[in-house]
Amino acid sequence: EIVMTQSPATLSVSPGERATLSCRASQSVSSNLAWYQQKPGQAPRLLIYGASTRATGIPARFSGSGSGTEFTLTISSLQSEDFAVYYCQQYNNWPLFGGGTKVEIK
Amino acid sequence: EVQLVESGGGLVQPGRSLRLSCAASGFTFDDYAMHWVRQAPGKGLEWVSGISWNSGSIGYADSVKGRFTISRDNAKNSLYLQMNSLRAEDTALYYCAKGHAAVGATLVMDYWGQGTLVTVSS
Repeated sequence: EIVMTQSPATLSVSPGERATLSCRASQSVSSNLAWYQQKPGQAPRLLIYGASTRATGIPARFSGSGSGTEFTLTISSLQSEDFAVYYCQQYNNWPLFGGGTKVEIK
Repeated sequence: EVQLVESGGGLVQPGRSLRLSCAASGFTFDDYAMHWVRQAPGKGLEWVSGISWNSGSIGYADSVKGRFTISRDNAKNSLYLQMNSLRAEDTALYYCAKGHAAVGATLVMDYWGQGTLVTVSS
């Protein structure tokens, strides 16, 4: 059984700074990895799929990388609207989400 | 514009049943896989179940296997989740989500509804 682990659980970042979020799979999921953003009281929004392909309408400051078991979501310059919880999800098998990383204002 | 509207949630006693519905519009429903994802209060996301465009492929999380049944009616642009033998741990906001169109990405969820709340309590 695959386990998806996200780190850190909470990331404190100042606006304009770079944020780097990690997601690790307990076994290879190839490039079948997606990232979602969720703000309080809202449904999740797809950011990245295929480990590095931005979804429609997603700003270029969001980028994804990695393959196999190690993945990274990078937000190059945090805007106020980017403070949220981020989830990774593998889809190499039936979907499984990581536990999430909360990006908060420092 | 893609719209997904869930309904059918509510308060239910442990051991009872509930049927959730999701009305889809703004896209060709029978071209896409669909999913149910839930979120317990204050917790993370948990994929519950998914169904291919023609109902030929169906999957469930281990936590609901044998108790929940997903189905769809392409003529009515609707997705359903029949939930039996409900437990307190099934209490969550249940989202309906559309599968992505990209090849190999049908298990990616690109549009989500606002959810319907299911509370299992005596």
